[in-house]
Amino acid sequence: AQTVTQSQPEMSVQEAETVTLSCTYDTSESNYYLFWYKQPPSRQMILVIRQEAYKQQNATENRFSVNFQKAAKSFSLKISDSQLGDTAMYFCAFMKHGDNDMRFGAGTRLTVKP
Amino acid sequence: DSGVTQTPKHLITATGQRVTLRCSPRSGDLSVYWYQQSLDQGLQFLIQYYNGEERAKGNILERFSAQQFPDLHSELNLSSLELGDSALYFCASSVLTGTGELFFGEGSRLTVL
Repeated sequence: AQTVTQSQPEMSVQEAETVTLSCTYDTSESNYYLFWYKQPPSRQMILVIRQEAYKQQNATENRFSVNFQKAAKSFSLKISDSQLGDTAMYFCAFMKHGDNDMRFGAGTRLTVKP
Repeated sequence: DSGVTQTPKHLITATGQRVTLRCSPRSGDLSVYWYQQSLDQGLQFLIQYYNGEERAKGNILERFSAQQFPDLHSELNLSSLELGDSALYFCASSVLTGTGELFFGEGSRLTVL
């Protein structure tokens, strides 16, 4: 069974600085997707970034980028130039290609301080 | 706005009761997923429907059931409610199944007293 582990329950960062959120996963599959979702106080789940396992290039979306280490089964999220609006819960998620069950980690609560 | 609509946004009920949560997927999306998020926890996959048929089942209790109607909206029925069923219930939709692009609604907050 696939499991997703986020070892940092809470983190904080100063506005305009950079922060990295960690995620590891366990799978025997070779073809899968990895995601970071953001859940602000409004509780809406918002897709931040998506990575396909067969792509070696790390995904990037504006200030958000990932460090995907397939052999190490690691998928960290880097947020550059942190903004107050980045304050939220961040969930790492895994989905096997062709599957329908997206597995989520327990989340990391990020606070951006002014 | 993800385009996924969930109603009601908030619901308070008593133990032993039955409630129905409703989800309208994004226009054109055939797959609907239901997730449960208990307090300060990650999301647990409950069930998925694709074009009216059940496609995958996760950790869904026997007291819970769901269906997807011909117009593609979905309902999650929760019966014989217990205090532990209090949670945020999310609906998500996608065009295809198993491709990884899920769009979430704002959730329905259920409180069982």
